[in-house]
Amino acid sequence: KAGVTQTPRYLIKTRGQQVTLSCSPISGHRSVSWYQQTPGQGLQFLFEYFSETQRNKGNFPGRFSGRQFSNSRSEMNVSTLELGDSALYLCASSIQDSVLGQFFGPGTRLTVL
Amino acid sequence: GENVEQHPSTLSVQEGDSAVIKCTYSDSASNYFPWYKQELGKGPQLIIDIRSNVGEKKDQRIAVTLNKTAKHFSLHITETQPEDSAVYFCAASGSGGGADGLTFGKGTHLIIQP
Repeated sequence: KAGVTQTPRYLIKTRGQQVTLSCSPISGHRSVSWYQQTPGQGLQFLFEYFSETQRNKGNFPGRFSGRQFSNSRSEMNVSTLELGDSALYLCASSIQDSVLGQFFGPGTRLTVL
Repeated sequence: GENVEQHPSTLSVQEGDSAVIKCTYSDSASNYFPWYKQELGKGPQLIIDIRSNVGEKKDQRIAVTLNKTAKHFSLHITETQPEDSAVYFCAASGSGGGADGLTFGKGTHLIIQP
């Protein structure tokens, strides 16, 4: 069974631009969560989707948003990019509507110049 | 919200020896505690997890113990091998497996010396 896939793997943007990242969960998984990983703050929860509904959101500004489609694929969007948004963005999926048994993708490395 | 502390930040052990990584959590309602291994350039890989109704769980050379009273849990790796070298993260689910996401520790860089 294929794992979680994320596209693109690498992105370079400039301040003020916006970016969209994509995540395809493991087949049959309906829950998708997004995390931001930086050297300073570590792994931080962004938001979680289940059945196209955002169930909860971490402590991030409104510039960070996401959505989930009927096939469970998910996208996250960051508008008005700041230098501090440079990070590895990780997507994780699980079968049920919880964080139990989450499997992570390889991440998208975003660099903001 | 949940807060997870992880120690040590770096751990160097001789190949064949055991390694122990410890974490504490703050939310007594948390009831799910996974451990992840992250290798360079890859996403975290779930290696073992434990729920709060269990005190210990083993999977070959890896074991996790949980002390709910003290709110701490530990990862034990026995007979370490070079491929065990990686960064290990503990995590806790702040609302008992619900939609709050996982709260992660800062990570432990495990180095296996040949």
